Amino acid sequence: DADVTQTPRNRITKTGKRIMLECSQTKGHDRMYWYRQDPGLGLRLIYYSFDVKDINKGEISDGYSVSRQAQAKFSLSLESAIPNQTALYFCATAKQGNYGYTFGSGTRLTVV
Amino acid sequence: GENVEQHPSTLSVQEGDSAVIKCTYSDSASNYFPWYKQELGKRPQLIIDIRSNVGEKKDQRIAVTLNKTAKHFSLHITETQPEDSAVYFCAPGDSWGKLQFGAGTQVVVTP
Repeated sequence: DADVTQTPRNRITKTGKRIMLECSQTKGHDRMYWYRQDPGLGLRLIYYSFDVKDINKGEISDGYSVSRQAQAKFSLSLESAIPNQTALYFCATAKQGNYGYTFGSGTRLTVV
Repeated sequence: GENVEQHPSTLSVQEGDSAVIKCTYSDSASNYFPWYKQELGKRPQLIIDIRSNVGEKKDQRIAVTLNKTAKHFSLHITETQPEDSAVYFCAPGDSWGKLQFGAGTQVVVTP
């Protein structure tokens, strides 16, 4: 089945380390998004991309960067991780003209 | 930016009763109104959505109603079952396909 895959599923890292979260999809969707989820805050948009050459900041992009390596791959990097970046991170995809998101299974990141 | 509020934040219902969650938003440019369900430890999944040119949409036991003038839309679940227990998110969206998620409503269905 076509799906959205995130790696790793869980990660513990130390403050100051660089870490990359990866997302790949086989749905053929052109739009990809990175969200973080914190208890009581819902999901907040970090970055989004409408195609390979398009990168846009979301509401909480500070401390993060992204790379759209191909239509099917969208990576999120934390250049120097800090404890308040501890959260559950979701990648999502959507097809142009159809706003329904398909979410990946999530990456639980802990920064100690 | 868009301000999205969901009420209530928690909802406990007896099995078989109805549940209603309301979502208010501030951006008049919003034109897409979905609801997502997230079970414990799982990813959010789209359960129903509505576009701004439609006032109501129903899919079996769930329905979404939209009042664009008042800037709110609601999720209705009838004949609730234990498997309806989850966190529900509204996420009004704009014409660029960006969704702004509410903080979520924890629904608990007790047998």
